[in-house]
Amino acid sequence: SQQGEEDPQALSIQEGENATMNCSYKTSINNLQWYRQNSGRGLVHLILIRSNEREKHSGRLRVTLDTSKKSSSLLITASRAADTASYFCATDYGGYQKVTFGTGTKLQVIP
Amino acid sequence: GAGVSQTPSNKVTEKGKYVELRCDPISGHTALYWYRQSLGQGPEFLIYFQGTGAADDSGLPNDRFFAVRPEGSVSTLKIQRTERGDSAVYLCASSLGASSTDTQYFGPGTRLTVL
Repeated sequence: SQQGEEDPQALSIQEGENATMNCSYKTSINNLQWYRQNSGRGLVHLILIRSNEREKHSGRLRVTLDTSKKSSSLLITASRAADTASYFCATDYGGYQKVTFGTGTKLQVIP
Repeated sequence: GAGVSQTPSNKVTEKGKYVELRCDPISGHTALYWYRQSLGQGPEFLIYFQGTGAADDSGLPNDRFFAVRPEGSVSTLKIQRTERGDSAVYLCASSLGASSTDTQYFGPGTRLTVL
């Protein structure tokens, strides 16, 4: 079963614009991660945020976590055509990595 | 270095047949995971190995599915009496350890089609 749901399901933006996608989950978590999946490179881990963190940055990526609302957002700034992919949030709620993936947001960046 | 590899990349089989899917993890990674991804969905956890033993197989859908990792490296996912509903991409991932902060590295997947 899918623990998280991403919103929107699909997003189309122009190159250079920012892209924001959201993830909501159902049960309390230990960590939340974001992954990217495209046909060229498969599924790739982007960033992990722990349940006691509120915000994290990595390059052009900014992730926020609101455990009271059971939600997270991923912001990609200054998007590039190469950012075109599906983005998934994944949560774990144990001491190890049995992660549960959301349904994904399909991002298209138009050059 | 080499990433996670999976073979075959594509497998077409007939309903009722037996299939084996292979995963070669990154060398030195002790944890190995199998996921199944249906079209338009996120990956769904099947089973997790720590070393040679299956630490959690709660995601296996039924007893037609079985996975082994006899020497703590290569793993094989075995599906008996395949059904059309088994059609999906089967992903394998490995991580250095099994801590929840150890990054999982995914293979390219095996696309299974059951006719």
